[in-house]
Amino acid sequence: QVQLVQSGAEVKKPGASVDVSCKASGYSFTAYYIHWVRQAPGKGLEWMGWINPHSGVANYAQKFQGRVSMTRDTSVSTAYVELTRLTSDDTAVYFCARDGQTTTGPYYYNAMDVWGQGTTVSVS
Amino acid sequence: QSVLTQAPSVSGTPGQRVTISCSGSNSNIGSNYVYWYQQLPGSAPKLLIQRKNQRPSGVPDRFSASKSGTSASLAISGLRSEDEAAYFCSTWDDSLSSPVFGGGTKLTVL
Repeated sequence: QVQLVQSGAEVKKPGASVDVSCKASGYSFTAYYIHWVRQAPGKGLEWMGWINPHSGVANYAQKFQGRVSMTRDTSVSTAYVELTRLTSDDTAVYFCARDGQTTTGPYYYNAMDVWGQGTTVSVS
Repeated sequence: QSVLTQAPSVSGTPGQRVTISCSGSNSNIGSNYVYWYQQLPGSAPKLLIQRKNQRPSGVPDRFSASKSGTSASLAISGLRSEDEAAYFCSTWDDSLSSPVFGGGTKLTVL
């Protein structure tokens, strides 16, 4: 079945960096965009950016520009997000999610139809 | 502060029909499709309503959505205990050039 499986929980010190991975299976990894979305404790969903797994091109939310990097390794069907210069405000569950939009055309938000289980990142 | 506005909570009794609202602007809801996600406690969000108010496979027809101008709503009929969850609206914002979410509405089934 189509699924996204994320890496395990992380505990980091302020100022450190964190890497979270998202392994896709059950579909062609390069065919669909991947988003990263985070959720602070008791809060709503916050979009961080997307990556085109086919081209490797990424687009980041203004808030995270300069501090986030989204990459992918097509050989293992895995997307990655790295967030640097962590503060306590970055404590959240980080989700990857597949966009229903295919990578054959320009990006258009077509709903996040498959989600990873989430990765808890704690900064303290 | 979320770009889309949702009431923090709503409640209903089993069998009842409840509506969850989502308010935005011309640059987001007013000109783009609205999607709805359900997040059960301790779980990842799940897509509930996709493009053109359609339901993905497996989502019961008790869930329906509509849009009027710069507002959207999700209706749940025949409320069941397993519907107790947070519900998020989402759409594209032309000004921000990014997907945006509502703050979420927590549904309690009494």
